[in-house]
Amino acid sequence: DQQVKQNSPSLSVQEGRISILNCDYTNSMFDYFLWYKKYPAEGPTFLISISSIKDKNEDGRFTVFLNKSAKHLSLHIVPSQPGDSAVYFCAAPGPLQGGSEKLVFGKGTKLTVNP
Amino acid sequence: DTGVSQDPRHKITKRGQNVTFRCDPISEHNRLYWYRQTLGQGPEFLTYFQNEAQLEKSRLLSDRFSAERPKGSFSTLEIQRTEQGDSAMYLCASSLSGAGNHNSPLHFGNGTRLTVT
Repeated sequence: DQQVKQNSPSLSVQEGRISILNCDYTNSMFDYFLWYKKYPAEGPTFLISISSIKDKNEDGRFTVFLNKSAKHLSLHIVPSQPGDSAVYFCAAPGPLQGGSEKLVFGKGTKLTVNP
Repeated sequence: DTGVSQDPRHKITKRGQNVTFRCDPISEHNRLYWYRQTLGQGPEFLTYFQNEAQLEKSRLLSDRFSAERPKGSFSTLEIQRTEQGDSAMYLCASSLSGAGNHNSPLHFGNGTRLTVT
């Protein structure tokens, strides 16, 4: 049961343009979402998060939008840079009401930013 | 903050052999996690420690797998009688306040890539 879904395995954009990465979830008990970025041969690194009480969180070039009614979130990168080329994972903890400490990850979207 | 350190980076072993991986978390982090990642998948949770106590295990963690964190600092993950299906990247992560804490995201190491031939 894939509770966090990233339906686009890959995305290619031009440098300077906007990158939009999408994520859907099925468990309405998730109340906090994270995006991680992963370069080859490295572990995932935390990028940005959003609480379910918000619909937007911004950090520099990165903005995450949350639509709770649609159970959908998206990560916007503006402007995209070649160094942003990586695999991006959407993740959610728990749900913690069940006592779980685990992060549930999507399968990832490989972003390629072309110079 | 020296980050989460994992050793070895790569391990090639023959089917049936035992392997052990080590993880050194960020020093002030009391929570430590093991994940496994296979090609085309996101990281999958295996187990979690708070200090030296192993508080949660995934059903992915068969009885051939055992993890320890004897003094609440470093951790080891052992796989006995390895199978080809165990080939994956094994990731360790640590956290100060837990997966659900907004101010304490998980910090991952660079992983140990296991290949079982």
